Amino acid sequence: EAGVTQFPSHSVIEKGQTVTLRCDPISGHDNLYWYRRVMGKEIKFLLHFVKESKQDESGMPNNRFLAERTGGTYSTLKVQPAELEDSGVYFCASSLSGLGADTQYFGPGTRLTVL
Amino acid sequence: RKEVEQDPGPFNVPEGATVAFNCTYSNSASQSFFWYRQDCRKEPKLLMSVYSSGNEDGRFTAQLNRASQYISLLIRDSKLSDSATYLCVVISTGGFKTIFGAGTRLFVKA
Repeated sequence: EAGVTQFPSHSVIEKGQTVTLRCDPISGHDNLYWYRRVMGKEIKFLLHFVKESKQDESGMPNNRFLAERTGGTYSTLKVQPAELEDSGVYFCASSLSGLGADTQYFGPGTRLTVL
Repeated sequence: RKEVEQDPGPFNVPEGATVAFNCTYSNSASQSFFWYRQDCRKEPKLLMSVYSSGNEDGRFTAQLNRASQYISLLIRDSKLSDSATYLCVVISTGGFKTIFGAGTRLFVKA
């Protein structure tokens, strides 16, 4: 069974540009999560989808970040315009249920560098 | 104060050693607890869930003390392959928000 996949694996952009990250969850997983790790800090929750609906987006840093999950399958996270502080590794995870005890499976991450 | 705090590390131990990691959490209403392992430049992977009764998986033992809001991970007979960062993860109630600790780096030396 395929795991969570993310694209691209790396992205280097200039400040002010737009970047779109993609996450394909494990097939059948209704719950999809985005996380971010900036250098030297812990992994931080960004948001949680249940199917196509945003269950919790309390971790989104500001309105330059837009996450979508049309059709309840893959998800995109767009950063527009990108700032230097947006650099970091963006992880996506999915789980079968949204219950707290359910295992979240992480993708390999997208390493974003904003110059 | 951070919601989840871990030993800062790094821990440098010889092969065969026993090493223990600690983690504390601030939200007494937290409901689920996990240890994840993250290798360098890789994604986190679930190592084990943590239950109040304690649980063991081979060389790994996890304990939860709700009264003290404290979680531990014990690794016995350390292997070179155990070298990684160990992340304490807590799920809060009311929305199941996932909160990560900063991680503790472990180096196991031959």
